[in-house]
Amino acid sequence: ETGVTQTPRHLVMGMTNKKSLKCEQHLGHNAMYWYKQSAKKPLELMFVYSLEERVENNSVPSRFSPECPNSSHLFLHLHTLQPEDSALYLCASSQDGSGSSTDTQYFGPGTRLTVL
Amino acid sequence: AQTVTQSQPEMSVQEAETVTLSCTYDTSESDYYLFWYKQPPSRQMILVIRQEAYKQQNATENRFSVNFQKAAKSFSLKISDSQLGDAAMYFCAYRWAAPVYNQGGKLIFGQGTELSVKP
Repeated sequence: ETGVTQTPRHLVMGMTNKKSLKCEQHLGHNAMYWYKQSAKKPLELMFVYSLEERVENNSVPSRFSPECPNSSHLFLHLHTLQPEDSALYLCASSQDGSGSSTDTQYFGPGTRLTVL
Repeated sequence: AQTVTQSQPEMSVQEAETVTLSCTYDTSESDYYLFWYKQPPSRQMILVIRQEAYKQQNATENRFSVNFQKAAKSFSLKISDSQLGDAAMYFCAYRWAAPVYNQGGKLIFGQGTELSVKP
């Protein structure tokens, strides 16, 4: 247990569905991240939030919509996804997103998403 | 742009033996951080070890140690006395050091090395 939880652990959805992924951290951190892990590819950073404000968006398609209502929770809202969006979605948190020496990222267990 | 390369897609080691996983990176920065993360079949990404680029001393965490060669831009992970529980995908990662605006927290990952441990 790293102190970062994700729900659901597995999700199967059709291309017309709307679903949300949830991440919660119990570490008192102020920065949260969404990563996408596809087969045979390095992890790709999707979004970064620091103190509930989005600080980076790596040109992610608009069918992915993040939400960070407070420093402990992070959501990824999904709509009209494509089959190529099937992947493992990992959430992480860190102290403040500053990149300082203490700003190590801790990851959740991921949500395995399958888009039919 | 910063890149991280792990040239060994798969490695195998006998239980109780030592194995070294390779990682090279490319950057023009002088100050940064390097990490090794472990991802077992459960998919939980776990931090194994970290290294600050300004430190010459190689980081060590129990059976895990690194060989950090800054001039060569090389950052290998050595696992001593390998255990069955060490079997996992290992990722090398790079991160800028603060205060680079809007890039401070971003991790750049390599492709990963899948380590199997034989009993």
